[in-house]
Amino acid sequence: AQSVTQPDIHITVSEGASLELRCNYSYGATPYLFWYVQSPGQGLQLLLKYFSGDTLVQGIKGFEAEFKRSQSSFNLRKPSVHWSDAAEYFCAVGDSNDYKLSFGAGTTVTVRA
Amino acid sequence: NAGVTQTPKFRILKIGQSMTLQCTQDMNHNYMYWYRQDPGMGLKLIYYSVGAGITDKGEVPNGYNVSRSTTEDFPLRLELAAPSQTSVYFCASSYGIVAGGADTQYFGPGTRLTVL
Repeated sequence: AQSVTQPDIHITVSEGASLELRCNYSYGATPYLFWYVQSPGQGLQLLLKYFSGDTLVQGIKGFEAEFKRSQSSFNLRKPSVHWSDAAEYFCAVGDSNDYKLSFGAGTTVTVRA
Repeated sequence: NAGVTQTPKFRILKIGQSMTLQCTQDMNHNYMYWYRQDPGMGLKLIYYSVGAGITDKGEVPNGYNVSRSTTEDFPLRLELAAPSQTSVYFCASSYGIVAGGADTQYFGPGTRLTVL
């Protein structure tokens, strides 16, 4: 069964600093990988997704993620964080043969001035 | 487009009461989903639907029921509410061109439910 681990429960970063959120997945074949962001009191919004091809994926709001098959990872990065990036971030893995997305537990990002 | 809308935003229930959480999407998506979100647990799939009249169980279906009479609506019914159902509930939808596990899902703003 597929599963996702987000090792960091909470990260605090200074505005303007870089951000990296870790995501490790467990899945036998090539997975479909997603990063979603949840702002306080809001639903989840897709940041980016990986299906195949180029392992470096660009998303919205200046985020990117890199798929590394050898490490079973799909880490999310942003070079310079803005105060509006304070939110909870979820990594998810899916399967083209299933209707289910498996979500990680989430990482909460706090941005300090 | 309003996207995915959910009502109510908040609700407090007493143990044993029942209620229906409403979900509507205006994107003509075939697939719809109900998730619950508990702190530190991520999202768990309760039920999903691949089209009007077709529903199936997800990971955590016990205590819930769904129906899908139209493409737009996918209500979630809680019978005999229990404290364990205190959670935030999200409805989502996707086009359905590919299976849901490979598709971008669009989420509503959520319903925060407390059972006392």
